[in-house]
This record gives sequence, C-alpha cells and structure tokens, in this order.
Amino acid sequence: DADVTQTPRNRITKTGKRIMLECSQTKGHDRMYWYRQDPGLGLRLIYYSFDVKDINKGEISDGYSVSRQAQAKFSLSLESAIPNQTALYFCATSGIDSDYGYTFGSGTRLTVV
Amino acid sequence: GESVGLHLPTLSVQEGDNSIINCAYSNSASDYFIWYKQESGKGPQFIIDIRSNMDKRQGQRVTVLLNKTVKHLSLQIAATQPGDSAVYFCAEGGGTASKLTFGTGTRLQVTL
Repeated sequence: DADVTQTPRNRITKTGKRIMLECSQTKGHDRMYWYRQDPGLGLRLIYYSFDVKDINKGEISDGYSVSRQAQAKFSLSLESAIPNQTALYFCATSGIDSDYGYTFGSGTRLTVV
Repeated sequence: GESVGLHLPTLSVQEGDNSIINCAYSNSASDYFIWYKQESGKGPQFIIDIRSNMDKRQGQRVTVLLNKTVKHLSLQIAATQPGDSAVYFCAEGGGTASKLTFGTGTRLQVTL
C-alpha cells in the first residue's frame, strides 16, 4: 500500500456541485497538506494542518474547505465547484523534524465542466 | 498524458551526458531546500535536500549546489538515463520541511 493514498484518482464534476477529495496516510506523520498543481504555476498550497486540531489556510484557500478527521486523514472539499478549479490536487505529509521533505500522494485529477 | 508540464521550460540531454537543472529561490530567510522529481501520472518524489549551512550535497548520481549569495539552487544528474525523464521541482522552506514553497519546474527530456 502507498504511504499516502488519494481518492478518487480522477473525477469529472459539474459546475456548482460539492465534491470531496480524500487523503489518508500510513506514515504516522502529524502534518498534512493539500496542494493544487496547474500548468506553469507549480504547486500552490491550499490548506495545511500540523495536527488534528490545527487547520490553516494556504495561499489559495478561497472556494475550498478541509477536514482533519484523524491523524491519518485529511479531506479537501470544493463547496461549489467552478471550472477554474480544474487541476491536479496533491495531498502530502511530513514529520515534525523530517529531513526528507514531504511524501506526496499520486494526485487527483479533477475536471469541472 | 500529463498536462502539468505543458508550459514548462525544457532541458534536452543525451543519454549518458550530465544534466544541470537550475532554480532561483525567492526568500533569503529560507534555510532548507529540496529537489523533487515528478513522473507522468505520479506525485512528486523526494530526490535530495540541502540545508543553508551547506553549499553542496551529493547523493547517488545527483548533486545539489546552493549559492545563497544569489539565491540559486542547482541539481546535477550524472550520466543521465532515460528513466530520469521527468519534471523537476525545487522547493524552499524555513527550519524543518513545513510549508514548502515550490518552483514551477523544469522538464528534463533524455534523448537516446
């Protein structure tokens, strides 16, 4: 099993729908992140959580919300999807004193039509 | 195919040659830097990291160089192989690897 698992891998949804992307990890890490990847823009931070009771906005949090259900689970929701939220979404984890950066999931390709 | 690299700068290198991928970082307070490799359809994977108290670090076939004076980071890949074809990202952060900021990436194409 992968260290960081994202579901679904691919999703097509309609404008205005609510959608949830899920992430679970087996690394035992406290820190979890959601990033969005667009062509030419690299990875941009949406939300991050340093422990179960901690949620922080990243640079592009508008239109998104998150829930940290447990140490191992961090989900991202699009409250009312719009076409410019079409992107690749990555979940990542890190330890408090990790010397190895983040461990990423395989990503969710979301298309909003 | 993977659309994330559609507008990325591309470096083409012949198999067996050395590759050098460059990155300019933005925050002079950053003290931790990482290179990631992203293959088509996969998430970024850690390659090598370096802290600001170092200017060079070597791994297996890879070397990272850090020039804090000009805020420049480079990744050198020795004897480039077809399996090295991917998009490479640099990332910078403060202290531990929390809240990394990523560069836009460079696509490495290895020709036979």
